[in-house]
Amino acid sequence: GAVVSQHPSWVICKSGTSVKIECRSLDFQATTMFWYRQFPKQSLMLMATSNEGSKATYEQGVEKDKFLINHASLTLSTLTVTSAHPEDSSFYICSAREGREEQPQHFGDGTRLSIL
Amino acid sequence: GQNIDQPTEMTATEGAIVQINCTYQTSGFNGLFWYQQHAGEAPTFLSYNVLDGLEEKGRFSSFLSRSKGYSYLLLKELQMKDSASYLCAVMDSNYQLIWGAGTKLIIKP
Repeated sequence: GAVVSQHPSWVICKSGTSVKIECRSLDFQATTMFWYRQFPKQSLMLMATSNEGSKATYEQGVEKDKFLINHASLTLSTLTVTSAHPEDSSFYICSAREGREEQPQHFGDGTRLSIL
Repeated sequence: GQNIDQPTEMTATEGAIVQINCTYQTSGFNGLFWYQQHAGEAPTFLSYNVLDGLEEKGRFSSFLSRSKGYSYLLLKELQMKDSASYLCAVMDSNYQLIWGAGTKLIIKP
């Protein structure tokens, strides 16, 4: 149980392109979804937290107009990196949590984004 | 500020036992999580401790002492596939997860 699917796994695209990443909870309803980015050999950095049907809460320093998050249903959240540039290249990982805050987050497989 | 400390890297031998420590200083405490992350992959959930003591789950056990701000993950009968990074994360009073930088565990034959 508690499977989270993230798509696509890899994206390589030109600078200026917008990239959309999907995160789905397959066998549970995710009241809260999280978006992280991770640079090589570094820890997870939380970008934003989203609850179904409401606006995402962004961490300090994360541009909400750059990283658009939509949590349209209890099983789907999307992250759109708008007008991506090489410095946006990173490993983006979503996670989903069912129910209360003390429940564990279950992670998708991540999306490796490379902007040329 | 909030802080999670764990060793950067550890090496152990296949078949042996290894203990990965995690100390924390956070504003409040609502539980501690351990995750395993293989290189290039997303983390997978291992354990959750909110009360003092030892939680055993197969070859993996996790211990918590809230008074000392301390936890450890114990891995027994190490296998080569256990080579990974192990992330300690503490949930603070606002239910925000504070992540450690992770401990890279290298298993040698």
